[in-house]
Amino acid sequence: EIVLTQSPATLSLSPGERATLSCRASQSVSTYLAWYQQKLGQPPRLLIYGASNRAAGIPARFSGSGSGTDFTLTISSLQPEDFAVYYCQQRGTYPPWTFGQGTNVEVK
Amino acid sequence: QVELHESGPGLVKASETLSLSCTVSGGSLSNIFWSWIRQPPGKGLEWIAYAHSSGSTKYSPSLSSRTTISLDTSKNQVSLKLYSVTAADTAVYYCARENTNLWAFDAWGQGTMITVSS
Repeated sequence: EIVLTQSPATLSLSPGERATLSCRASQSVSTYLAWYQQKLGQPPRLLIYGASNRAAGIPARFSGSGSGTDFTLTISSLQPEDFAVYYCQQRGTYPPWTFGQGTNVEVK
Repeated sequence: QVELHESGPGLVKASETLSLSCTVSGGSLSNIFWSWIRQPPGKGLEWIAYAHSSGSTKYSPSLSSRTTISLDTSKNQVSLKLYSVTAADTAVYYCARENTNLWAFDAWGQGTMITVSS
């Protein structure tokens, strides 16, 4: 099973600041890596797929990068609606598909 | 636009079988991987299983011995059965569509909260 480790667990930032979230895989997943945003009481929402492709309707301030085992989600300028929990997820060659433990982006 | 709606009993007793269904509207079940994913209160996401219209199914190894996923194309439903539940199975259960062009879950239901009582 591929383990995804996200860091930091919590990121305390102010609106307008840049957020950088990390996701590391225990073995290569190529670019089969997605990022999701989850707000309290809501299902996750797909932000990024294929490590670097924005999903439909996702603002340009969200960007993803990386391949193999190291991935980054960047939010260039935090908006009030961006404070949430972010998960990475891998879709490697064989199940199970796994998620990272999440990064909570909170207001400083 | 596809919509997913999960339904379940809300409360189930320990050692019993949990049955969940997910009704898909605005789209077909065909040629799509349909997954169940759960989230215990205050915790992260755990993938449980997927089913494809071809008949293929895959399960998380940690749950495979007591889980069955199935598709009913006549009703446009995705079902999950989880046997011999315990308190550790208390969670919000989500149905999700895996878009095979994106290889990511691009549509999710609102989830159904399941509590296992002793």
